Order: sequence, then C-alpha cells, then structure tokens
Amino acid sequence: GESVGLHLPTLSVQEGDNSIINCAYSNSASDYFIWYKQESGKGPQFIIDIRSNMDKRQGQRVTVLLNKTVKHLSLQIAATQPGDSAVYFCAEIEAGGTSYGKLTFGQGTILTVHP
Amino acid sequence: DGGITQSPKYLFRKEGQNVTLSCEQNLNHDAMYWYRQDPGQGLRLIYYSQIVNDFQKGDIAEGYSVSREKKESFPLTVTSAQKNPTAFYLCASSRARGWEQYFGPGTRLTVT
Repeated sequence: GESVGLHLPTLSVQEGDNSIINCAYSNSASDYFIWYKQESGKGPQFIIDIRSNMDKRQGQRVTVLLNKTVKHLSLQIAATQPGDSAVYFCAEIEAGGTSYGKLTFGQGTILTVHP
Repeated sequence: DGGITQSPKYLFRKEGQNVTLSCEQNLNHDAMYWYRQDPGQGLRLIYYSQIVNDFQKGDIAEGYSVSREKKESFPLTVTSAQKNPTAFYLCASSRARGWEQYFGPGTRLTVT
C-alpha cells in the first residue's frame, strides 16, 4: 500500500526554540492530512489537520505546511516546551470509495525538548 | 465524560490462547478502528467499521477478528493464528463523515 514517512528520525531542541518536524508522503491522491502527538504509553492526540486544497494552516503554537509539488508536510511548533516531548505522526486519508476514513500513518518523529 | 475506553491497560497471555480486547466509546461516533503499534513504528490498521454490523479488513487483518453488534463497542480478538501478537493495540473512532479519529489509551498485549 501507500506509505507515509518511512523514517523515524529524532529531533532534539532546547526549550523555547522553534521545532520543525517533516513528513514525506507518497499518495498523490490523498486529500486530507493530520498531525498527531503520542506521549509514551498513551494513544495519539489530534494536533492539527489540513486539506489538500490548502498550503498552510495555523493553530495555537503550531503551523502545518503542505507542499503538494514535492509531497511534503511539515509541523512547526513555536516556543517548544518540555511538555511537547513526544512522538509526532503525520497521517493521510484518500477520500472516497472503500478508503474513506482510513488513515495511513507514518512511522513518526521523536521530539525531545531539553529544559 | 465523553471518550474512548480500552481495557485492560496491560494484558498477558500464553501462546496459543485467543484473547479479546475491549473498546467502548460514548462519543456517538459511527466509525471505529483498530490499530497495532510495534516499538519505534507507526500505526497499522487491523480492522475498521463504518456502521453497526459491518466491518472491513485493514492492512494487517490476518490472525484477528472483530464484531460490531453495538454502535458503542468494537471488540478485537487476537487469535492463536496471529504469529506475533505482542504489541500495543489502539482503538479509535470518528464521525461518519469526519476524518479526525479519536484514540483510546491503548492496551499493551504480551504473549509468552
């Protein structure tokens, strides 16, 4: 099947720095993307989403950028805090047919924030 | 207090035994999902159900079975046919036309 974000990179930042987490996707038909945060031993939590007809969306301290030309998604976290330390996953959905509602997850990026 | 509950949090079984993981939601969501997560890996879809009494196989359904007799409940049975059952299992739900999935806290299954 299609794959999203095959690598599991790690990112270490100092508290207060901005963080950028990247994700490459391969299904050009995907039309909805979500970023999730997963803390150790817990289920993923929704952070922010973006539709394929957008290239940027902002939330509280987070911004998602979508570049469909190169099939790249990024999550920017402003003023990173120790509580932001977690694994971050991107996920994609191709709407329509039997794939409707079926998310395809990447392997994730480990973010560590040092005080 | 709305949400998704999974029980138990930790589960231990002997090889060759079937085991059923519970997932309940009170969000009135139509769709429910089961994922498996291995250490350092992303989530892989086992089964999903978009409506009561209907479900579809995901990417790794072999060795698993599900039922959806009630809207609120979507139990997953890990059968003895599943070759590597030890993993972290996550249940999720979403609205019928909503793509955002809400996850439960997970069940960590260890089979020895």
